[in-house]
Amino acid sequence: DADVTQTPRNRITKTGKRIMLECSQTKGHDRMYWYRQDPGLGLRLIYYSFDVKDINKGEISDGYSVSRQAQAKFSLSLESAIPNQTALYFCATSDLPSGEETQYFGPGTRLLVL
Amino acid sequence: DAKTTQPPSMDCAEGRAANLPCNHSTISGNEYVYWYRQIHSQGPQYIIHGLKNNETNEMASLIITEDRKSSTLILPHATLRDTAVYYCIVRVYNNNDMRFGAGTRLTVKP
Repeated sequence: DADVTQTPRNRITKTGKRIMLECSQTKGHDRMYWYRQDPGLGLRLIYYSFDVKDINKGEISDGYSVSRQAQAKFSLSLESAIPNQTALYFCATSDLPSGEETQYFGPGTRLLVL
Repeated sequence: DAKTTQPPSMDCAEGRAANLPCNHSTISGNEYVYWYRQIHSQGPQYIIHGLKNNETNEMASLIITEDRKSSTLILPHATLRDTAVYYCIVRVYNNNDMRFGAGTRLTVKP
């Protein structure tokens, strides 16, 4: 869905490097999320934000940090990348138009840590 | 601990209805049933959700049993482009935590 974009789409980095994954959305949603997906498995929540002043840890936040620069932008950082952070990363947004929230996902960033 | 149980894989003939089951025997009264799908390694796509009534939209129908312990997603006329992993998720309204299990890999065959 072009309303949620992620950059880069693919990234190869080395152990110990700091990297940032970026997410932008034009849907005007307040809520944004970062997930990771490992091969053959479902998605797991890393961090989420309900507005620019709100940051919350998800199921697997260790080794990650986030920044909500604006309503439309939510970045995920790996301060010191390690090989087991190799995964597919998804950003998502949501809102509550009628009280029944659904999430809309970006195309994903494929990260390889050597 | 998984809240939902889905078969790992299913096949369906093109043009036929695809019926994907999901068991959620421990569902709470305030939990909704959501369905998403993921094509290849693209971002998951929302399909439909419901609380206790059957729901239908342009993509699919959701049938929830009266006791709410199971549900079925129905794609009425499956096409090759419906080949994907389908996830059944139960969650409380307004709860940020969307727990994706392994899902069902649906293969639509010509």
